[in-house]
Amino acid sequence: AQTVTQSQPEMSVQEAETVTLSCTYDTSESDYYLFWYKQPPSRQMILVIRQEAYKQQNATENRFSVNFQKAAKSFSLKISDSQLGDAAMYFCACGASLSGGGADGLTFGKGTHLIIQP
Amino acid sequence: DTGVSQNPRHKITKRGQNVTFRCDPISEHNRLYWYRQTLGQGPEFLTYFQNEAQLEKSRLLSDRFSAERPKGSFSTLEIQRTEQGDSAMYLCASREGLTDEQFFGPGTRLTVL
Repeated sequence: AQTVTQSQPEMSVQEAETVTLSCTYDTSESDYYLFWYKQPPSRQMILVIRQEAYKQQNATENRFSVNFQKAAKSFSLKISDSQLGDAAMYFCACGASLSGGGADGLTFGKGTHLIIQP
Repeated sequence: DTGVSQNPRHKITKRGQNVTFRCDPISEHNRLYWYRQTLGQGPEFLTYFQNEAQLEKSRLLSDRFSAERPKGSFSTLEIQRTEQGDSAMYLCASREGLTDEQFFGPGTRLTVL
């Protein structure tokens, strides 16, 4: 079983600036996956970035990067050069395989509402 | 569009009625997941299928909830004797077995009056 905590209900950042969203998790699994999903208003969830727990190197996807601290069970998301289109709810999630590889039933945090100030 | 689709997008029902939602996953995806998302919360995992086999159903919220994926393609989620507390967004996601990314559909918003 996993738990995911996002302690920032809302964050605001100026366009073109950098913002970091926090996430802590707990899991009894030794092999698990961590994700950040984005949910724009009235639109579907989109994967932003993912990290396999066995990999020490932090994942990066263009302007998005993570700071994965396994011992501290921390998985923060950094968004560089924030753009208006980044405005959304951001959910941190943790999952482990229930059968044969990959992440199955994901456990999500409550989300962080990111506001981009023009 | 070859993404995950869900129907209907909105459903309004009266307490005590039964409702059924449909999810069509991405065609080559053998794993399909159902989640529930209430206002101000992240999605909550309910159940999942690998092909037609339902491999986890202990997370279904009560025995009023059931899901099927009869031919390993589309899936249905049924809620019997709906209650006002069932009002939520019901999300479907799918993934291909060799990857870990789940692709989400737009959801079905259920309102129980």
